[in-house]
Formats: sequence, C-alpha cells, structure tokens
Amino acid sequence: NAGVMQNPRHLVRRRGQEARLRCSPMKGHSHVYWYRQLPEEGLKFMVYLQKENIIDESGMPKERFSAEFPKEGPSILRIQQVVRGDSAAYFCASSPLGGWEKLFFGSGTQLSVL
Amino acid sequence: AQKITQTQPGMFVQEKEAVTLDCTYDTSDPSYGLFWYKQPSSGEMIFLIYQGSYDQQNATEGRYSLNFQKARKSANLVISASQLGDSAMYFCAMREGGKAAGNKLTFGGGTRVLVKP
Repeated sequence: NAGVMQNPRHLVRRRGQEARLRCSPMKGHSHVYWYRQLPEEGLKFMVYLQKENIIDESGMPKERFSAEFPKEGPSILRIQQVVRGDSAAYFCASSPLGGWEKLFFGSGTQLSVL
Repeated sequence: AQKITQTQPGMFVQEKEAVTLDCTYDTSDPSYGLFWYKQPSSGEMIFLIYQGSYDQQNATEGRYSLNFQKARKSANLVISASQLGDSAMYFCAMREGGKAAGNKLTFGGGTRVLVKP
C-alpha cells in the first residue's frame, strides 16, 4: 500500500517562473492537505481539499498560490511568479474519510528559487 | 499566545535510555487531537502517535507513549529504550474542532534529539 506520493522531490525555479507541486494521496484517502515548512521551523497549514472542493484555504497566501484536487489525478499546488521567499519544503498529507486521527505525510517537495 | 509550545530546542540522550519530549498546548475547544511526528535528516514527516481529547487512556505505539495531562494541557512524548535511529527532529501538533475542521494542524517549533552511543 503506497504512501502519500509527492513529486518532484526537488524543484529549482528562477524568480518569476511557475512551480507546480504534485501530490497523490494514499489509496482510499479522500482528504488532502498542504503544509509549508521554512528552514528550522515547524510546518504551517496552507490548504485543505477534498475531491473537487477547497474546504479551508485560510493558510494560503492571497496572491500567486492556488491548489486543486480534481476528480481524477493528483492534487496540485501551483505557485505563480515565484520569489525567493517561496523557497521552502512543501508537504502534502492525506487522511481517510472520517479518519481524522490519522494524517500521513509525503516526503515533501523542496522548492528552491534562484 | 502560542498554541503549541515545545520548550526544549535540543537534547542529548544515551542509547537505550528513555527520553521525554515536552509539549504544552493552548485551546478552548473541548474537542481536539494531539499528534507527534518525527522528522529525520532526510526530511520526511513520520507519524508516531495520536491522542484525542476525549480518550481516557494515554496512547501508546510500540516504544512511543504519550503522557496526556489534560488539566495541565500537556502531551509529552516518551520514547523508551532509545536507538541511534531515533536521532531526529520531533514535532508536536494539535488539531482543534470537530470533524468538519479536518486535519488542519498547528505545529510546535520542534525538539532536536541526538542519541549518543
């Protein structure tokens, strides 16, 4: 049973480019979460999605960031016109319907903006 | 006020000994959950243990146990019989609210543990 799959593991972008981070939840999990971790800090919540719905995006920056979890395919976190301050580790997590005592994380995508 | 506080930025522990990692939390919500995660140098976040606010007994998972003191709002992690592979960052996290809130977690700043042979 594969865990939460994130790709790419490392992503390098120049300022002004777009970054797309992908996340496939664990089999049977219908809830996806994105978190961001700056160096030497804990993770910070960004967005909570279910299939085709954004449930809570209170942690998302107002501009340049968007997330989706389509009916088919992985969840995508998209960052437009990246800036150096976007450099961080981005983690995706998933949990099953009703299984809120379990939240499993992927290995993360390390985004570096040059 | 910080919602999750981990007061120990780093600690050493001798192999085979037990270690307690402190975590205090702040919430007025009667329904909440507490999580502990391990983050080794490779970067992934590994789920260790979960405690619900209504759970009567302290959670245990193998060598991990959670010392849940609700009145003190503390949820300390105890690792028994430390192994070299336990060297990592450890994060305490809290979810507030019922199921509609999902697993929107607030994380503490972490404690770095180094196990000495």
